[in-house]
Amino acid sequence: GEDVEQSLFLSVREGDSSVINCTYTDSSSTYLYWYKQEPGAGLQLLTYIFSNMDMKQDQRLTVLLNKKDKHLSLRIADTQTGDSAIYFCAEQGRDDKIIFGKGTRLHILP
Amino acid sequence: DVKVTQSSRYLVKRTGEKVFLECVQDMDHENMFWYRQDPGLGLRLIYFSYDVKMKEKGDIPEGYSVSREKKERFSLILESASTNQTSMYLCASMAGGLNTEAFFGQGTRLTVV
Repeated sequence: GEDVEQSLFLSVREGDSSVINCTYTDSSSTYLYWYKQEPGAGLQLLTYIFSNMDMKQDQRLTVLLNKKDKHLSLRIADTQTGDSAIYFCAEQGRDDKIIFGKGTRLHILP
Repeated sequence: DVKVTQSSRYLVKRTGEKVFLECVQDMDHENMFWYRQDPGLGLRLIYFSYDVKMKEKGDIPEGYSVSREKKERFSLILESASTNQTSMYLCASMAGGLNTEAFFGQGTRLTVV
């Protein structure tokens, strides 16, 4: 079945760039998403990308999609303490089902 | 060959006892983690440590504390064990930096009676 994989944890220093990677298996994905979950809060949609795009930039966020390798990444420039959260990658296939990864916890080093 | 070693595979403790779960890694990793795994709930993060003497609460820290006096050792402490802490406990370690892999210990199955 479809699967979305991402690493469990990433620690970066404040001001550095964070890069969170995700791989998925469904080659018929139409949309790919990045969600952010802060402690005690629900999922917040950060950004999404259509499967026919390879890059999308939104202020400090850059999403890169390599459809051939089924690899999605989220780059956060100038990481701030407020970026500390769990980031979920998700993909939506042609049947509109959304599959989530298990989340990458981003920790900002003091 | 990375090794993450947990001191016990199986433990049985009485309610109210103080319980120590030890984890040692031999790869000089900065980051260490304690998770518990329960049927239907997946892995839940209890505490993690990003450096010696540094610790951060995970998603379910209540009833637990941790100690990281040396880089290679991360201890999970149940101050007063309760039956709802019966679970499989997994320790993991990970190097710092981007795109690093987490290595898990074999797990400790704790039963509190």
